[in-house]
Amino acid sequence: QVQLVQSGAEVKKPGASVKVSCKASGYIFTSYGISWVRQAPGQGLEWVGWISAYNGNTKNAQTLQGRVTLTTDTSTSTAYLELRTLRSDDTAVYYCARDDGILKPLGMDVWGQGTTVTVSS
Amino acid sequence: QPVLTQPPSASGTPGQRVTISCSGSSSNIETNYVYWYQQLPGTAPKLLIYRNDQRPSGVPDRFSGSKSGTSASLAISGLRSEDEGNYYCATWDDSLSGREVFGGGTKLTVL
Repeated sequence: QVQLVQSGAEVKKPGASVKVSCKASGYIFTSYGISWVRQAPGQGLEWVGWISAYNGNTKNAQTLQGRVTLTTDTSTSTAYLELRTLRSDDTAVYYCARDDGILKPLGMDVWGQGTTVTVSS
Repeated sequence: QPVLTQPPSASGTPGQRVTISCSGSSSNIETNYVYWYQQLPGTAPKLLIYRNDQRPSGVPDRFSGSKSGTSASLAISGLRSEDEGNYYCATWDDSLSGREVFGGGTKLTVL
């Protein structure tokens, strides 16, 4: 079955970087995109960005512009989210999700289990 | 402030039908597909409706979606206690170089 398995929880200090992984299985990785969504404690869903596993094109949320890098490793069917210069308001659960679009984001169908990132001094 | 507007709460008794609205604009809902997600307490979001009104396999036909102009809605019929949770609409927005946008979420309570 289609599955996305994310890396474990992270605790980081302000100003540090974090890299979250998302390993896909059960489908042809390069036939879809991967979107990243985060959810701060007690809050709603916020889009972080999207990457096409087909050609590596990306689109990122402007609010995170310059601090986020999305990549994929097609040899291992794994997507990565790197967030730099962490601030306390980056504390959230980060989800990866398979996206229907490979040329532009269309919508997410299967979600990972989430990775908690805590930023605290 | 979320780009898509949803009511913060909705409620109903078992067996009832409830509808959750999602209001947007010409740059998002009117011109792009709408998706609906269910998030039960302590779990990851789950896809309920894709491409406005399509139901993934495994989602009961009690859930249905529709779209008209700049608004969309999710209907849940035959309400069950396990439907209690948060519901989010989402779509692509063509403004500001493009971005995925979500509604603020609707907390559904089954009385």
